[in-house]
Amino acid sequence: GQQLNQSPQSMFIQEGEDVSMNCTSSSIFNTWLWYKQDPGEGPVLLIALYKAGELTSNGRLTAQFGITRKDSFLNISASIPSDVGIYFCAGQGLGGGSQGNLIFGKGTKLSVKP
Amino acid sequence: DGGITQSPKYLFRKEGQNVTLSCEQNLNHDAMYWYRQDPGQGLRLIYYSQIVNDFQKGDIAEGYSVSREKKESFPLTVTSAQKNPTAFYLCASRDRAATNEKLFFGSGTQLSVL
Repeated sequence: GQQLNQSPQSMFIQEGEDVSMNCTSSSIFNTWLWYKQDPGEGPVLLIALYKAGELTSNGRLTAQFGITRKDSFLNISASIPSDVGIYFCAGQGLGGGSQGNLIFGKGTKLSVKP
Repeated sequence: DGGITQSPKYLFRKEGQNVTLSCEQNLNHDAMYWYRQDPGQGLRLIYYSQIVNDFQKGDIAEGYSVSREKKESFPLTVTSAQKNPTAFYLCASRDRAATNEKLFFGSGTQLSVL
């Protein structure tokens, strides 16, 4: 079945640093979504991507749909404390598995450096 | 405001007991989903429903049951057959008629075993 690998699993940030994370798929996707989840809450959609090569920004966040259609990247510039949380990528394949349902990565946990 | 409401926020289950998690949406979305989230894991699909009076098993349906008698409601029952029910449960919905199929989440229910 389709699999998503998200990395890194966790990272520590210092305020003002830029952050990068990515997801890779074992097969081609036609949609990539990036979500952020705060503790004890549901994920909130940050950015949606629908075309290979597409680059989309949402404030300090920028995400790209990889040319191969098997990967996506999320960058956060000039991080601030409220950026901490878990970031998930999600993708939808061409055939859809389970009626075109989304497949989720395991998340990247962002924490503040002590 | 339009959105997805999950209740209760916290739920405790005794051994052998069935418990039901509520999910209501006023977004007029056709499709609704239930996911299970364990620490450090991605979201795993339990059940989904594309239309009223119809639902399909996801990847981890054993020990769970659902109903979809109304478009706005998709309750999940965690049965006594589910031997490891402690997890964070997320309900989601999306508009299947839209050209972009973004998934929107509720704020989750934390289920624990007494």
